[in-house]
Amino acid sequence: EVQLVESGGGLVQPGRSLRLSCVASGFTFDDHGMHWVRQVPGKGLEWVSGISWNSGSIGYADSVKGRFTISRDNAKSSLYLQMNSLRAEDTALYYCAKVVLGLYFDNWGQGTLVTVSS
Amino acid sequence: DIQMTQSPSSLSASVGDRVTITCRASQGIRNDLGWYQQKPGKAPKRLIYAASSLQSGVPSRFSGSGSGTEFTLTISSLQPEDFATYYCLQHLSYPWTFGQGTKVEIK
Repeated sequence: EVQLVESGGGLVQPGRSLRLSCVASGFTFDDHGMHWVRQVPGKGLEWVSGISWNSGSIGYADSVKGRFTISRDNAKSSLYLQMNSLRAEDTALYYCAKVVLGLYFDNWGQGTLVTVSS
Repeated sequence: DIQMTQSPSSLSASVGDRVTITCRASQGIRNDLGWYQQKPGKAPKRLIYAASSLQSGVPSRFSGSGSGTEFTLTISSLQPEDFATYYCLQHLSYPWTFGQGTKVEIK
């Protein structure tokens, strides 16, 4: 069974940093691209960042470019999102998601909540 | 960046109704588009990939069409379990972008 388990969320002050992790199991992690998607409670989905299987292709939403860094450790079947210079508007539930053939997300984690507030 | 404009933002419909949701891309995205369904408190679920290919296990009342800049998700006969929010997602190039979502409510 595929499992994606996010962690690292919490309450953080504006301007501070946070690192999210997503541990994967039940599939060959280094066969798949992985992404982060966030959602403000009660609002729509926002794509945040994606990384290819070998980290050779990486992309970011304009809203996080220059502040967030995505990475992965295939030996640990883990995906990360380093979030710096956090803003109130980064407050959201952050999901990690597995990509199949570069075409669609087929599995999502349960999400980890990030709250940026003083 | 490619913008996705999804409409309507919400709709009310009855069981058995035919429902159509549209996404327009700000530039051509070939058929690099998927549709997702999300219910409250749950992660999104895949419905359609490559604009018109039905995901395994998804009921055949769901269908997708379109290419280039205009795409449609159709539910041919709305069922009680279909009341949810639907999103399109383009993946032609980074940054990927979701539509704003369409909430399908019970009339």
